[in-house]
Amino acid sequence: DTAVSQTPKYLVTQMGNDKSIKCEQNLGHDTMYWYKQDSKKFLKIMFSYNNKELIINETVPNRFSPKSPDKAHLNLHINSLELGDSAVYFCASSRRTGGAYGYTFGSGTRLTVV
Amino acid sequence: GENVEQHPSTLSVQEGDSAVIKCTYSDSASNYFPWYKQELGKGPQLIIDIRSNVGEKKDQRIAVTLNKTAKHFSLHITETQPEDSAVYFCAAKPNDMRFGAGTRLTVKP
Repeated sequence: DTAVSQTPKYLVTQMGNDKSIKCEQNLGHDTMYWYKQDSKKFLKIMFSYNNKELIINETVPNRFSPKSPDKAHLNLHINSLELGDSAVYFCASSRRTGGAYGYTFGSGTRLTVV
Repeated sequence: GENVEQHPSTLSVQEGDSAVIKCTYSDSASNYFPWYKQELGKGPQLIIDIRSNVGEKKDQRIAVTLNKTAKHFSLHITETQPEDSAVYFCAAKPNDMRFGAGTRLTVKP
């Protein structure tokens, strides 16, 4: 049973479209995250939610909107997709915000904007 | 905010040799230092971590060391095997996790 699951695994779409990526964790963790990994493998945090509340919102265009219906789910909606949005997006979760807790990552969603 | 630098960016070793990856961090409030391994097409997976009140930790062929004064921490892999080939990330956590840029390790059979 997958701990952090993301769907879809691959997403190919045209510029200007709107798309969503879904994430679910069954670990009972309080905090969930979205990370973007670029072509050079750099992992950059985008958002952090703790018990459905937004904690971190890094410098991310407002075309990106996270939504957390409950603490087990954190979805990412992207409006008006641009070529530069092409990347691998990882969802992660941790027991709580702060403290010495590691993250459990999903397997990623490879987004390609053409 | 926290800034984590990681070296080298690529590392190639012969099977059986040791590999060392080094990281530095900037925020003295960081108190947790995990290491992640990312295999092709997969998400990063936690392989070992160290807390700020510990100087060294070992788990079979993997060890981490932490020098809080110098703000350095390192990953040591001994007796490397081809299946150790992957991208390794260090991270430091004051509140949220900040990652280094990654090291691509290749172990040649």
